[in-house]
Amino acid sequence: EPEVTQTPSHQVTQMGQEVILRCVPISNHLYFYWYRQILGQKVEFLVSFYNNEISEKSEIFDDQFSVERPDGSNFTLKIRSTKLEDSAMYFCASFKELSSYNEQFFGPGTRLTVL
Amino acid sequence: KQEVTQIPAALSVPEGENLVLNCSFTDSAIYNLQWFRQDPGKGLTSLLLIQSSQREQTSGRLNASLDKSSGRSTLYIAASQPGDSATYLCAVGSSSNTGKLIFGQGTTLQVKP
Repeated sequence: EPEVTQTPSHQVTQMGQEVILRCVPISNHLYFYWYRQILGQKVEFLVSFYNNEISEKSEIFDDQFSVERPDGSNFTLKIRSTKLEDSAMYFCASFKELSSYNEQFFGPGTRLTVL
Repeated sequence: KQEVTQIPAALSVPEGENLVLNCSFTDSAIYNLQWFRQDPGKGLTSLLLIQSSQREQTSGRLNASLDKSSGRSTLYIAASQPGDSATYLCAVGSSSNTGKLIFGQGTTLQVKP
């Protein structure tokens, strides 16, 4: 069964460093998302991406964040200068088409630890 | 702004018991609702999806209901087993054109043998 994959599973970085989190969505899906979950808190929407552009972003998704689909298969989240509060689990998700009967599929997540 | 709340935050039951998890949302203009399972430190596994036009969905021992007008959904788990121990998340498909999900904080279930 097709699945969303994410790499790395765990990333440790120093504050102020840039990190890139990678995702491979399901191949025939058109809508892509990043969510994050700070330990003990809700899963929060960060950004949605469709047709090679951001379709919606949350207040959390400030200028430190960017997304890209560089080669038609990978979907990346870049954090330019990491802060301690960026430590969280980051989930990528994909969606075949915008329809009420389609479910979002989530990857296993990347645990980001900022020291 | 859509808010999703899940009650209770935690639940402990003996094996074999039937149980109900609750989810409420503030804006009834949703297009679907998904229930997920999350094991500690792991990703999200989709359990059930209910379209906004549906009242319930069933998968094995799980049954999810949706009452859009009152802003409520329930997840019913029949004959609970220790392997059902996990956090259960409710997520509402927003009415935007982007398909984003708004999550509740989850109910952590422990089923004791």
